Amino acid sequence: NAGVTQTPKFRVLKTGQSMTLLCAQDMNHEYMYWYRQDPGMGLRLIHYSVGEGTTAKGEVPDGYNVSRLKKQNFLLGLESAAPSQTSVYFCASSYPTSGRSEQYFGPGTRLTVT
Amino acid sequence: GQQLNQSPQSMFIQEGEDVSMNCTSSSIFNTWLWYKQDPGEGPVLLIALYKAGELTSNGRLTAQFGITRKDSFLNISASIPSDVGIYFCAWENYGGSQGNLIFGKGTKLSVKP
Repeated sequence: NAGVTQTPKFRVLKTGQSMTLLCAQDMNHEYMYWYRQDPGMGLRLIHYSVGEGTTAKGEVPDGYNVSRLKKQNFLLGLESAAPSQTSVYFCASSYPTSGRSEQYFGPGTRLTVT
Repeated sequence: GQQLNQSPQSMFIQEGEDVSMNCTSSSIFNTWLWYKQDPGEGPVLLIALYKAGELTSNGRLTAQFGITRKDSFLNISASIPSDVGIYFCAWENYGGSQGNLIFGKGTKLSVKP
């Protein structure tokens, strides 16, 4: 199993440009998450999904949109990038219906907005 | 609201020393998770704790879920250079949807050979 994969690994955007980050998991997990990580701030939840076709807001959702059209994929979109969105983005997945809360993370996407 | 304090923020230790870090919360939780993040990588789960008082080991790592359910510690024995990284505690946010985790701000560990 590849686990959780993220595409791309690095990206540089100009202010106002748009982009989509792709997350894929092959563990048949129900739940998927998008986090951002900034220095000294730990991991903050942007959006999450509890199943195919569902999404919900996390702690810092503004400026982002998500979609979960297939169970194995979770997309994070930036419609109009801002320098404040410069960060490292991590996707994660979990299988909480098993009674366990563990989340498994992808390798991250480093985004710079100039 | 729920507050999670992780300490220390950073540690500089000599290879071979033991390490201890902890997390405390203002609320009671049913789950404590410990993750390690290597530079440039995503967090990797080290230990999961689901019962108050539970003590679990994973190689040189040992973690315990406090009896009060408000704290947890992680110990690393006989540290080696590859222990370098950031260690995060996390717990399940029952105020939100099931499965959501709240992460501490991390303990950055540096090991001098």
